This record gives sequence, C-alpha cells and structure tokens, in this order.
Amino acid sequence: DSGVTQTPKHLITATGQRVTLRCSPRSGDLSVYWYQQSLDQGLQFLIQYYNGEERAKGNILERFSAQQFPDLHSELNLSSLELGDSALYFCASSERTPTDTQYFGPGTRLTVL
Amino acid sequence: GQNIDQPTEMTATEGAIVQINCTYQTSGFNGLFWYQQHAGEAPTFLSYNVLDGLEEKGRFSSFLSRSKGYSYLLLKELQMKDSASYLCAVWDYKLSFGAGTTVTVRA
Repeated sequence: DSGVTQTPKHLITATGQRVTLRCSPRSGDLSVYWYQQSLDQGLQFLIQYYNGEERAKGNILERFSAQQFPDLHSELNLSSLELGDSALYFCASSERTPTDTQYFGPGTRLTVL
Repeated sequence: GQNIDQPTEMTATEGAIVQINCTYQTSGFNGLFWYQQHAGEAPTFLSYNVLDGLEEKGRFSSFLSRSKGYSYLLLKELQMKDSASYLCAVWDYKLSFGAGTTVTVRA
C-alpha cells in the first residue's frame, strides 16, 4: 500500500459525458501528479500540482482539467469524453519535487462506451 | 522532445541475471528513474540516478551515463515475482516514460 488513495476504482460512462477522478496523496506529500496509461500509448504524464498550484504540464488535453485543494487532495476532470479516453488513470504523490520518489495510487480504470 | 527507448521483451531463467537497457534523448535532464509495474497494478519506484555511475539496492542495480544518454537496470538472482514490466523514465520538466520492458522469468 503506497498510501495514495484514488476513487473510484472503476468508472464506466458514455461518450460526451464528464467525470471526476479523485486522489488523496500520502500524508505530508505536497506534490500530486496525474498520469494516463493506455495500451497503445503507455504511461503519459498529464499534470503536476504542488501545494495547490500547477507546476508542470504534460500531454493533457484541453478537455481535461485538474486542481489541488487546500487539504492537498486533487481532482482530475475529464469532459466531452471520447472512446480513446478509455485508460487507467494514476495519481502519484511526492514530498516536494519530481525528483523525490513518487508513490503511485492504485489507479482508476475509465471505460468510455 | 523526448525519445526514450528500451527493449520490448526479455526472458530469463529463475536465479539468472538480466540487464535492461534504456537510451534517451531529451531536451533536458534532471534524473532517471526505474519503476516496476506488475500487470494491472500501479508502478512502484525502484531507483533514481542523477549522477553517472552505479546505484545498488539489494538485488537491483541501476547505472547511468549522462554523456551517452544511457542507463541500465540490472536484476540479479531472478525470482518468479520479478516477472513484470520495467519502465525507464526521465525527468526534465516532466516525467517521460519509455514504453516499458516486459520481463518474463521462467522456472
């Protein structure tokens, strides 16, 4: 158990819909990272937040957005969902910087039908 | 851009040694990570190299040559539970992952 929690574990929805994925980092970790893992594209970095502020952006689509709240939990919002958005979405946390060890949550499996 | 290459698959026998190579071409470099990922599970951290040389952690060792854009992960005394995907990742301003190397350990 990494100490990072993600909800829900599974999510099935339809194209065009909007969903919210939630992540609680390990106690004491200030940085949260979101990743997408699909069979054809591997593990892709989406975005990083540090203590409530966006710190780094990766291959995140404009339809996706994220935020980190004062209690340090984070949410990833996916809208206008397409079939290709079906993937495993991981959240990870680290103490501060990305070179600190990142601990991954169990992931949310999103299926878009 | 980032280009991170590692072999797709490797097979080895229980008790043997396997070396997984990773070459990278990135716009910046602030460190290289190795992660292990079992099928359907989250990646788990194995090692981090930022300076040239060898880092040893039990049965796992990782090597980095920044001038060559090259790293390897050495797995010794292979066990069946080591069957997994091994991901090489480079941090510049974001973490970029290779496609992963699937290691199969046979009895």
